[in-house]
Amino acid sequence: ETGVTQSPTHLIKTRGQQVTLRCSSQSGHNTVSWYQQALGQGPQFIFQYYREEENGRGNFPPRFSGLQFPNYSSELNVNALELDDSALYLCASSLDSGRSYEQYFGPGTRLTVT
Amino acid sequence: AQSVTQLGSHVSVSEGALVLLRCNYSSSVPPYLFWYVQYPNQGLQLLLKYTTGATLVKGINGFEAEFKKSETSFHLTKPSAHMSDAAEYFCAVSRMEYGNKLVFGAGTILRVKS
Repeated sequence: ETGVTQSPTHLIKTRGQQVTLRCSSQSGHNTVSWYQQALGQGPQFIFQYYREEENGRGNFPPRFSGLQFPNYSSELNVNALELDDSALYLCASSLDSGRSYEQYFGPGTRLTVT
Repeated sequence: AQSVTQLGSHVSVSEGALVLLRCNYSSSVPPYLFWYVQYPNQGLQLLLKYTTGATLVKGINGFEAEFKKSETSFHLTKPSAHMSDAAEYFCAVSRMEYGNKLVFGAGTILRVKS
């Protein structure tokens, strides 16, 4: 069984650019959550997708947006990149969105904004 | 609002000594509680979780944690530290009304001395 995968592993962008990060969920999982982990901090919840619909959003501006596809893979898009967007972006998938369902994390995408 | 506080951003123990990593949470409703471990340049791995029932929870790699409602705590322990335990540890909480979305603490870096 393949775990959660993310691409790319590392990415360097310039301030003002746009970026797309990708996540393939674990087989059978219909829920994907995205987290931002700044250096020296714990992960912060960005948003969650459940069966292709946004299912909750954290305290992030609208320039952070996402998609979930019919195969339940997901994208995180960030427009107008700022220096503070430099972070490790983690994707997690789960069998469902209910509280009892464990999240399985991918290895993350390290984004550097210069 | 729910929050998680991890006391001590860095903890250093000798190999073979007791590991104690502290976590306190705030939640007005019964929480689900989690401990995750993160090795350098990797994603998060679940160590253990408390949902309902027995308050002493055993996890992987010899770790355990005890849910103490009266103290709003969920401290992580391991009787004897190994060099391989050196990593960053995160405590997290989810609440019923938010499904399985997680709120993380700031993390504790565990150093194991030989």
